[in-house]
Amino acid sequence: DGGITQSPKYLFRKEGQNVTLSCEQNLNHDAMYWYRQDPGQGLRLIYYSQIVNDFQKGDIAEGYSVSREKKESFPLTVTSAQKNPTAFYLCASSISGQLSTDTQYFGPGTRLTVL
Amino acid sequence: GNSVTQMEGPVTLSEEAFLTINCTYTATGYPSLFWYVQYPGEGLQLLLKATKADDKGSNKGFEATYRKETTSFHLEKGSVQVSDSAVYFCALSDPASGGYQKVTFGTGTKLQVIP
Repeated sequence: DGGITQSPKYLFRKEGQNVTLSCEQNLNHDAMYWYRQDPGQGLRLIYYSQIVNDFQKGDIAEGYSVSREKKESFPLTVTSAQKNPTAFYLCASSISGQLSTDTQYFGPGTRLTVL
Repeated sequence: GNSVTQMEGPVTLSEEAFLTINCTYTATGYPSLFWYVQYPGEGLQLLLKATKADDKGSNKGFEATYRKETTSFHLEKGSVQVSDSAVYFCALSDPASGGYQKVTFGTGTKLQVIP
């Protein structure tokens, strides 16, 4: 079955630690995205990548980093510089970056809690 | 800039009641409009979309019509079921934004359907 997988589903981190969230897709999509979801808020874009070895900052990139070394993988690192990292993180992909016509497919999400 | 405003929840309905969730938008161009659904603990799924004025998107008994004159895209369903309980997000993507066509999400409306 084609789709997007995120791991782990739940993640706990101590303050001051970096942590990496995994996102893998087997849909052969060029574009991938990371969003952050907080209670009562819409999704906010952290980073996006329209092609392998290229990525761009979204609206709230501070304290986060990404890489796109393979088409199917787009890991997100939450660094200790992120002041309020506790949130639900969603990865998505689409065939291209033409989101007015393409459909975004979302993974099941990772809930990160900083202790 | 672009924005999406949707009615605050939670919305609580009895099974078989009529559902309306209001959504209005602001955009510089002629955006595509979307409704996404998020079931508890999961990622988002595209429910329906419309890409031009007067288009009607429909899926699983849900409908929404792109009204350019009122800049609205209200979600409706004639008879809700308990299984429709979820959070619903209205969103837009504006091709006039050029380059990467970012998706702007509303804050979400929680729907609870009681038997």
